[in-house]
Order: sequence, then structure tokens, then C-alpha cells
Amino acid sequence: GAGVSQTPSNKVTEKGKYVELRCDPISGHTALYWYRQSLGQGPEFLIYFQGTGAADDSGLPNDRFFAVRPEGSVSTLKIQRTERGDSAVYLCASSPSAVSNEQFFGPGTRLTVL
Amino acid sequence: QQQVKQSPQSLIVQKGGISIINCAYENTAFDYFPWYQQFPGKGPALLIAIRPDVSEKKEGRFTISFNKSAKQFSLHIMDSQPGDSATYFCAASGSARQLTFGSGTQLTVLP
Repeated sequence: GAGVSQTPSNKVTEKGKYVELRCDPISGHTALYWYRQSLGQGPEFLIYFQGTGAADDSGLPNDRFFAVRPEGSVSTLKIQRTERGDSAVYLCASSPSAVSNEQFFGPGTRLTVL
Repeated sequence: QQQVKQSPQSLIVQKGGISIINCAYENTAFDYFPWYQQFPGKGPALLIAIRPDVSEKKEGRFTISFNKSAKQFSLHIMDSQPGDSATYFCAASGSARQLTFGSGTQLTVLP
């Protein structure tokens, strides 16, 4: 089956604008994660969904960041009033269940804030 | 607080050689230790993972060695090939499930 997909692959926006990044997890995977990867660094955790609810949002850097997963499948990461420091690759991963540790990553969305 | 420390930052080996990457962790609640491989422009791909109840796990040319008392684990790539050239990340997770990653090792295998 298909892996995790993310759209768009690249997003260029201007400082202060609003952006939405989409993640389609592997079919049947109930757990979904968002990470952010800055250049030359390892991914950093942002938020974790189990089903439709955010089980852990402790990694979100501030209230400009928000994510939803209304039907327990596709998730959207939303960033308001973007800042240049938000520029990074945003990665989504999915996992078969809440008890599984294995996480499978998508290709990421490269966000550039000018 | 960097909870997973990875070294070296970069590594160059000859084709056929052994590549060794090391990681150390601080949080004793971690109970799952995966290694990911990442090519430029791609997402991390799960290579191999280990739990602390075993000291070694081998899958093909990839082996994880785990030392629970030292809170260290390492990835060994046997018979390294140019196609193995990529960035490798160690990671760890516990009951909270989110992965804490190391800072990455850029591996170059010379032909």
C-alpha cells in the first residue's frame, strides 16, 4: 500500500501569512505525529494524535501552531502569522496503533517564510 | 535539553568497511530505540530498532548494539556500500511514544 503522503512538497510564503500543511497517513494507522526538522538537525516532536484527538501537543512551540485530525485520518498542521524562524521541513509520521512504537515518515513539506 | 547525543557528526568509510555510529541517552524511561536513514529531500526511513531487553539485534548488514547500564547504543553497518551514503539518526521513545532524535550522522561511503 501507499506510504505517508504530504502536500504540498514545498511551500513558500511571506512573513505574517497563514499556511496549512496536509498529511495523509498510511491507511488504517490510528496514530499520527507531526515533527519539524531544521537544516542539519534531527526531527523535533510537535504533536501526536490518537484517532481524532490530540493526545500530546507539548511540542507545539506557541499558539500560532495548531493541528487537527477531524475524521481520524488526514491531518492538517496550521501555522498563523508565520515568522522566518518557522522555515523548516515539516514531517508527518503514522503508526499502526497507540501501542506500536514504529513510526513511518512521509517525505515532508519544506516551508520557507520570506 | 538534548536527551539523545549522537556521534560522530560525519563519517567517511571505504567501500566494504564497517561504519559505526554511537548514541547515548539520559532518560531511563526510554524503552524503544530505532535508527532511521534519511536521503536528501526524503523523509526518515526506519532501518532497525531494539528494546532494552536484548543487547544486540541484527538485520542483514545492520546491527544495533545496546548497553543498558551505560545508556548507550550503536549502529554498525557491515560491508558498507556507496548506496549507504545518507544521514543516519538514532532516536528513543518511551510510554509517551513521540521520538526524541539525535542530531544525525552524515555517512559517506567512498567507492
